[in-house]
Amino acid sequence: SQQGEEDPQALSIQEGENATMNCSYKTSINNLQWYRQNSGRGLVHLILIRSNEREKHSGRLRVTLDTSKKSSSLLITASRAADTASYFCATDANDYKLSFGAGTTVTVRA
Amino acid sequence: DVKVTQSSRYLVKRTGEKVFLECVQDMDHENMFWYRQDPGLGLRLIYFSYDVKMKEKGDIPEGYSVSREKKERFSLILESASTNQTSMYLCASSLTGGDGYTFGSGTRLTVV
Repeated sequence: SQQGEEDPQALSIQEGENATMNCSYKTSINNLQWYRQNSGRGLVHLILIRSNEREKHSGRLRVTLDTSKKSSSLLITASRAADTASYFCATDANDYKLSFGAGTTVTVRA
Repeated sequence: DVKVTQSSRYLVKRTGEKVFLECVQDMDHENMFWYRQDPGLGLRLIYFSYDVKMKEKGDIPEGYSVSREKKERFSLILESASTNQTSMYLCASSLTGGDGYTFGSGTRLTVV
C-alpha cells in the first residue's frame, strides 16, 4: 500500500533557486528516506532520517521530519541542472519493506 | 559501492509467455525486493525476501512468483505474461531491515 504522498507533484525552478517538496504519511514509522530517480533509471538513496531525529543535512540537502504531523520535507539548496529528476519519499514501518509515494518531478531551468 | 544488476534494460514479450527477470547484488545483502513502477502510481512492492529461500508477498503479488536460491540472486517470474504487466520493474537490496535500498537500473518490460 502507498504510505507516502509527495507534494507538489511537479516543480519547476530556476537554476540557483531552492526546491522544497513535502511528504505526508499515515502510520507510525521507524525511519523515512528520500530517493532520486533520473529519467528512466533506478532510484538512488539520498538520505535517511530516523523517527527520533528532527532534521538532517547532507551536502545541499536538508530533510526535516515532524512525526506529530506525520510529514517530512526535502529542501535542495542552490539547485543545478543535474538536480532535474523525480524525488520519492519512502517510509519504513519496521516491517522489512519500504512504501513509496508517487514522487515529485523537479525541473531545474538553466 | 554496492551494485545491483538487472539482466535486461528493455524486454519485449508476447502475451502468455513465461518471463524471467533476474537481479543480482554483490554485497552480501540480506534483503531483496521487486517493485513495479507505473506513471502516477509510484513504486508498488511485488515480492520481497529477507533470507535465502524465503519470500514474502508484497502489495501486488498476483500473476508473479519469485525465487531466491542463492543470497545474491532474486528472480521475478511472470507465469503467463499479460499486457497489464507492461511496466518498469525495479529490483533493490538492503543490508538489513531499516537500511537504505540500493536499486538496479530497472527493466522496462513490454508485453504485446
